[in-house]
Amino acid sequence: DVKVTQSSRYLVKRTGEKVFLECVQDMDHENMFWYRQDPGLGLRLIYFSYDVKMKEKGDIPEGYSVSREKKERFSLILESASTNQTSMYLCASSPRTGGSSYNSPLHFGNGTRLTVT
Amino acid sequence: AQKVTQAQTEISVVEKEDVTLDCVYETRDTTYYLFWYKQPPSGELVFLIRRNSFDEQNEISGRYSWNFQKSTSSFNFTITASQVVDSAVYFCALSERNRDDKIIFGKGTRLHILP
Repeated sequence: DVKVTQSSRYLVKRTGEKVFLECVQDMDHENMFWYRQDPGLGLRLIYFSYDVKMKEKGDIPEGYSVSREKKERFSLILESASTNQTSMYLCASSPRTGGSSYNSPLHFGNGTRLTVT
Repeated sequence: AQKVTQAQTEISVVEKEDVTLDCVYETRDTTYYLFWYKQPPSGELVFLIRRNSFDEQNEISGRYSWNFQKSTSSFNFTITASQVVDSAVYFCALSERNRDDKIIFGKGTRLHILP
């Protein structure tokens, strides 16, 4: 069974801490994504990556960075956590076939609920 | 501009009733895909269906059916004889060929099926 695994289900961090959210997929997918989900706002794209060491900003990259050193792993980094980054974070992956991926559904992890106090 | 609108924020129905979740989209691309995802209380979004812009044939899968109409830019989702296990947040999404890297999600509809 294909899987996207997020390292933590729940995290509580203090303001100013550096936070790492890890995501691993076992499907050999080229594309990986980080979203945050907030009530009333739906899913908003933070960053995505379509290849190792490649990254692209999404709609709300401020306050975040990412790392993709290996194809299967995509890490989201909060350099200095703030209370407005309290949210549900969702990782997803998708394949790139024939040079495109717009027709590929996303495979999501279970999410990490981060609370910054 | 690309946009997906799910006007229904929250819906409650009694078990065994039919319910339709609306999705309206905007795009300038002629080639695109539409998707529906389900997010149960466990949190993981699960892919349900995709349709490409050239295939307006409606689809039925068990109690689920989808009505794609390009004339009204809608891709509505109907659950027939709803069950408590259908309670979830449902997201509609748009992916365009000319914007290969971006998938646009609607804000979701929270569906409550009451026993």
